[in-house]
Parts: sequence; C-alpha cells; structure tokens
Amino acid sequence: DIVMTQSPDSLAVSLGERATINCKSSHSVLYTSNNKNYLAWYQQKPGQPPKLLTHWASTRESGVPDRFSGSGSGTDFTLTISSLQAEDVAVYYCHQYYSTPPAFGPGTRVDIK
Amino acid sequence: QVQLQESGPGLVKPSETLSLTCTVSGGSISSYYWSWIRQPPGKGLEWIGYINYSGSTNYNPSLKSRVTISVDTSKNQFSLKLSSVTAADTAVYYCARGGITIFGVVAEFDFWGQGTLVTVSS
Repeated sequence: DIVMTQSPDSLAVSLGERATINCKSSHSVLYTSNNKNYLAWYQQKPGQPPKLLTHWASTRESGVPDRFSGSGSGTDFTLTISSLQAEDVAVYYCHQYYSTPPAFGPGTRVDIK
Repeated sequence: QVQLQESGPGLVKPSETLSLTCTVSGGSISSYYWSWIRQPPGKGLEWIGYINYSGSTNYNPSLKSRVTISVDTSKNQFSLKLSSVTAADTAVYYCARGGITIFGVVAEFDFWGQGTLVTVSS
C-alpha cells in the first residue's frame, strides 16, 4: 500500500501571507506513459465534508480560487495558498489514486496567526 | 448539481452490523463510481470501498472481510454494510462520487455527502 505523509501537522500564517503544505508518498504516483501524477488535494472545514481543490496534482477544480495551487511530481507534492484569507482556515488533505487502496495523508491544519 | 445524502442509524451495538444508504440526486448513479469513506472523530480519512452501476466492487483490504457495498439503480442509491463492528468503527461515514483511473483505482472524489456520525456503543 502507498502511505501518504504530510508536513507540517499544523501551521499558522498571517492574513495575506503564503501557506505551504507538503505531501509525500511512499511510492511514486507519476505514471510516466501519460506524465500524470495521480494525486488530489482537499480542504475540509469543521463540520463539513472534504472539498476537492485539485486533481492530477496541479489541475485546479472549477470555482476554486487561484490563490490555491498544487505542484510537485513523483513522490513530493506541495499545496500553496498564495495569500491566506480568513475563509481558508481548514484542514488540508492529499490523496493518492495511483494504486488501490486509495489513501489520504493525515492532514495539515491551517490557522490564522 | 449532484447531491449525495447518507442515511441510517446513528447508534450501533458492538458485534452488530452497521447499515447505511446513500441517495444520489441531480444525476444518475449509472455513471461514475460510488464510494464510502469514513473519518473517526478528530482523525483522518479512510476509503472503505466503491461500487459502480453494474455492481462491480472494490474494497479496502483492511476492511474487506467485513464490508459489503450494494447498489439499487432504480432508487439511485447505494448502500454499505459493515459487520462485527467495534468501538474502532465509530466515525463519520461519507458517501462520495469518483471516476476510475486506467489502473482501475477510484479517482478523485468530486462530490461528497454531508456525512453521518455512527457511534458503536452498547
């Protein structure tokens, strides 16, 4: 099974500043034949289900603000919030769908400093 | 807009079977792959398994011996049964929609239900 890890466990960032979340997979999730990374990012606010932010590591979903960007390849990935807003306080999860069972990272909590 | 809604008992006794149903509205269940995912209180997400409209399933090996997922296309619903539950099965249970990758793995989950808390306690 592929194991997903995230760092840091939590971070506090000032409004308008950059937040960076890292995700690492125990096995590459890049399929070289199509050059796609089978990785997604989600945002979960308290009492709500996760919301899909990106798939293929960096393809932003419709309606997701462009301050959210995903990057990385292979085993190392990053979700960046370029200018943190109050409504971005949440837990963020990465998710690999390269091999079964699909697996989520443990989550990173983002708060306002 | 696709909507998913979980329903079922919020309290299950140890050793009994947890049963939940997810009703899909705003779209047909005869496309995509439909998963159950759970989240223990204060913890992370665990994929339980998926089903498609034809009844093809795939389960997380960690739960496979206790899980059954079924589909009722006439009602646009799919269901979860988890047998021999213990306190460790206490969680918010979500149903969610995903595609399928070329590897046969359920892809990113783009629509989720609001989730339902199931507590295992006598």
